[in-house]
Amino acid sequence: GQNIDQPTEMTATEGAIVQINCTYQTSGFNGLFWYQQHAGEAPTFLSYNVLDGLEEKGRFSSFLSRSKGYSYLLLKELQMKDSASYLCAVRSVNSGAGSYQLTFGKGTKLSVIP
Amino acid sequence: DAEITQSPRHKITETGRQVTLACHQTWNHNNMFWYRQDLGHGLRLIHYSYGVQDTNKGEVSDGYSVSRSNTEDLPLTLESAASSQTSVYFCASSDRGHEQYFGPGTRLTVT
Repeated sequence: GQNIDQPTEMTATEGAIVQINCTYQTSGFNGLFWYQQHAGEAPTFLSYNVLDGLEEKGRFSSFLSRSKGYSYLLLKELQMKDSASYLCAVRSVNSGAGSYQLTFGKGTKLSVIP
Repeated sequence: DAEITQSPRHKITETGRQVTLACHQTWNHNNMFWYRQDLGHGLRLIHYSYGVQDTNKGEVSDGYSVSRSNTEDLPLTLESAASSQTSVYFCASSDRGHEQYFGPGTRLTVT
C-alpha cells in the first residue's frame, strides 16, 4: 500500500520562504507531483519529480530523494495569493498492467500572513 | 481551449436515490479518474479508466460505478445514495503517465 505524510497546517509571512515536506512509503514508485488547491477550487498542477534533485519553476521549487522517500516544495517570496492547500501525490506503476495511479497525501494548508 | 467540465456543480439528493455525475473532457486524454475529497482524508480514488470500454476500481469504489463509451466522457453513478457519500467529487484526466487535469468539482449532499 501507499502511505504519504505531510504537515496539516503551516503559517508563513508574506515575502518569506516556506518549505513543505512530504514523506512517502510506496511500492512501484514512478514519480512525485505537487498540486496547489485554493479553497473551493480544483487542484492545479505545480511540479513533478521523478529523479533525485531539485526542479525549479519560478518562485516554486520541488526536491526529491528517492532513497529517503522524501520530497519538499519550496515557495519563495511568498504572496498572499499563495494561501492554499498543497497536495503531495505519489505515482506508482503496476508493471504487470502497465497502469499508473496517483495517491494523494491529505494536504498542507498554508496561510500567508502580512 | 481544451477543458474538463463537470455537471452539476451542486446536487442535493435523498438517501436511496440513484445519482449520476457527469464529466466531459476535450483534451482527448485516454486516462480519466474520479476522486472524492473529504476533510481529514484528502483526495481518494473511486474509479478510473484508461480508454474506451476500460474501467477499474479504486480505493473507495463501493457504491459507485462508471462506464466509458467514448473518449470524452466518464459518468459516475451512485446506485443508491447514502449519507456517507456526501462529499466533493472531482473528475480528472491525463495523457499517459503525465500530470492530471482536474474538473471544477461537484458538491453532493445526500440527506
